[in-house]
Amino acid sequence: GQQLNQSPQSMFIQEGEDVSMNCTSSSIFNTWLWYKQDPGEGPVLLIALYKAGELTSNGRLTAQFGITRKDSFLNISASIPSDVGIYFCAGQLRDGGSQGNLIFGKGTKLSVKP
Amino acid sequence: DTAVSQTPKYLVTQMGNDKSIKCEQNLGHDTMYWYKQDSKKFLKIMFSYNNKELIINETVPNRFSPKSPDKAHLNLHINSLELGDSAVYFCASSQGETGFQYFGPGTRLTVT
Repeated sequence: GQQLNQSPQSMFIQEGEDVSMNCTSSSIFNTWLWYKQDPGEGPVLLIALYKAGELTSNGRLTAQFGITRKDSFLNISASIPSDVGIYFCAGQLRDGGSQGNLIFGKGTKLSVKP
Repeated sequence: DTAVSQTPKYLVTQMGNDKSIKCEQNLGHDTMYWYKQDSKKFLKIMFSYNNKELIINETVPNRFSPKSPDKAHLNLHINSLELGDSAVYFCASSQGETGFQYFGPGTRLTVT
């Protein structure tokens, strides 16, 4: 089945730093999404991308849908402590049917530097 | 108001038992989902369901069955529980089969 390669698996941040993470796939996706999961909670949608090349911002978060439709990145600028959590990319092949199901990356865990 | 709610939050049970997890959404969405998140935090779709179609991930054992009494509810029944079923189960909903899904808080199932 399709797989998404998400990197890095984990990273430590210091307040004020910029953070980058990305996802790549061997398949072309119709839609790319980025979710964040806090401990003990369900994932929450941060950004949805619908067109190749699209660059979308949500506050300090910026995400791009790769031109090839096989990759996406998420940047967080000027990180703050509440940014810690697990970030998931997700791809959707098309709307509807079994190919409408989301395929999730394995997550990037953001922690605070000790 | 909670958009997608699940009960129970925690469920501890023995192998071989049958259990159910309930999910309700008050968003008026027409599509609901069940996901399984394993100990490595990997999220995988189990089912998606709207009033027209149930789509089952082919890797899901037939001991798992979703039941929808109405548009706002999609419950998950699990028969003959096994140790490997221990995980966090998330319900989600969306309007149409889009990636813009709202997730519930999860149910942590532990099978002993």
